[in-house]
Amino acid sequence: DTGVSQDPRHKITKRGQNVTFRCDPISEHNRLYWYRQTLGQGPEFLTYFQNEAQLEKSRLLSDRFSAERPKGSFSTLEIQRTEQGDSAMYLCASSLVSQGFSEQYFGPGTRLTVT
Amino acid sequence: DAKTTQPTSMDCAEGRAANLPCNHSTISGNEYVYWYRQIHSQGPQYIIHGLKNNETNEMASLIITEDRKSSTLILPHATLRDTAVYYCIVSSSAGGTSYGKLTFGQGTILTVHP
Repeated sequence: DTGVSQDPRHKITKRGQNVTFRCDPISEHNRLYWYRQTLGQGPEFLTYFQNEAQLEKSRLLSDRFSAERPKGSFSTLEIQRTEQGDSAMYLCASSLVSQGFSEQYFGPGTRLTVT
Repeated sequence: DAKTTQPTSMDCAEGRAANLPCNHSTISGNEYVYWYRQIHSQGPQYIIHGLKNNETNEMASLIITEDRKSSTLILPHATLRDTAVYYCIVSSSAGGTSYGKLTFGQGTILTVHP
């Protein structure tokens, strides 16, 4: 399967712990996005990378959140000192944009539960 | 990005056409209309997009009114597998200087029944 993959698919952690999620985009895709989705809501944009550069961060991304995309390939999203309000589905998407429109391909998501 | 308004839920009989409306009265001239859907427990999936003209692909048709203030996504022959949340999104192009951020609303829950 050459789609976007995310690991782990599910994560249960205790409040105050740190967690890290990984996203592997479709090979050669130059843009990578992170979204967060809570129950009953549509996904909310968190941040995006153009190759290895992080070019935009939502105000939803507090200083407890950090994302990286070393070498413009896979990306990691780390949440430090997790809170119950961080419980959500974290979605990764990638796209190849050279000119004009390019659809975003989403991964299956990582479901985080903070107890 | 312009705001969109969609019905909360709709039903459709299997084999019939599903017509999902979307209002985007504040859309600006350089903004596209995108449709994505999300089947339960999966990530969103791109369906179709358009600027001014009607569009059709293997999944659906998109009808955009002449004033561009509303659009309709048409699934010509709905199947049970089309049961999903359908999101209408208005955004500028992902090319050029825009990075194509998608702003999702709550979408329309489409239920296709036998």
